[in-house]
Amino acid sequence: FLTQSPATLSLHPGERATLSCRASQNIASFLVWYQQRPGQAPRLLIYDAWKRATGVPARFSGSGSGTDFALTISGLEAEDSAVYYCQQRTNWPLTFGGGTKVEIK
Amino acid sequence: EVQLVEFGGGLVQPGGSLRLSCAVSGFTFSDYWMTWVRQAPGKGLEWVATIQDNGTEKNYAHSVKGRFTIARDNALNSLYLQLNSLRADDTAVYYCAKGHINCRSATCFDYWGQGALVTVSS
Repeated sequence: FLTQSPATLSLHPGERATLSCRASQNIASFLVWYQQRPGQAPRLLIYDAWKRATGVPARFSGSGSGTDFALTISGLEAEDSAVYYCQQRTNWPLTFGGGTKVEIK
Repeated sequence: EVQLVEFGGGLVQPGGSLRLSCAVSGFTFSDYWMTWVRQAPGKGLEWVATIQDNGTEKNYAHSVKGRFTIARDNALNSLYLQLNSLRADDTAVYYCAKGHINCRSATCFDYWGQGALVTVSS
């Protein structure tokens, strides 16, 4: 089970966003992050806790292991307005967190 | 360019059936595990099912096991999801997704289709 916090984050452009994902059991580094902009399909950002997917800007970074993980967006841009989901890939069934909505003021 | 296009969504009555298709291009389909993920209106993402590259291994979410069947035709570069005994809580946008090469057994997804809406209602 994955718990994401906060539910909503409202920040100004240029600020840093830190999103949390907590697992109910040890999932090592098998944690994935996706971004979903309104009306679009999800987009892979980070896999295995910190590995950036192809084409993802360097301002997105992932960290953590075991049960506590974070996605950091350094220098928010308007296009980062989206819902961010974490997903564990340790065991079947694969599960997602409930999401964190990032709003740009 | 990698493309995934879902077909077959629509309105169906409770207890009814529907078959979703996903046509892919831009990569060697037979080399990759593939997955269906759904999203109920205004809700989060839910993994539904995954199929091995050769179609042998299949994994299902508890909520759909016994009612949904994932399949593929590597000759046609197509992925399918047969939805039977549909319920109102199956109403969702259904996405097909390609497994990332660095995530074993397609446990993370690097390309997604635009989604197909399935509405279960009388």
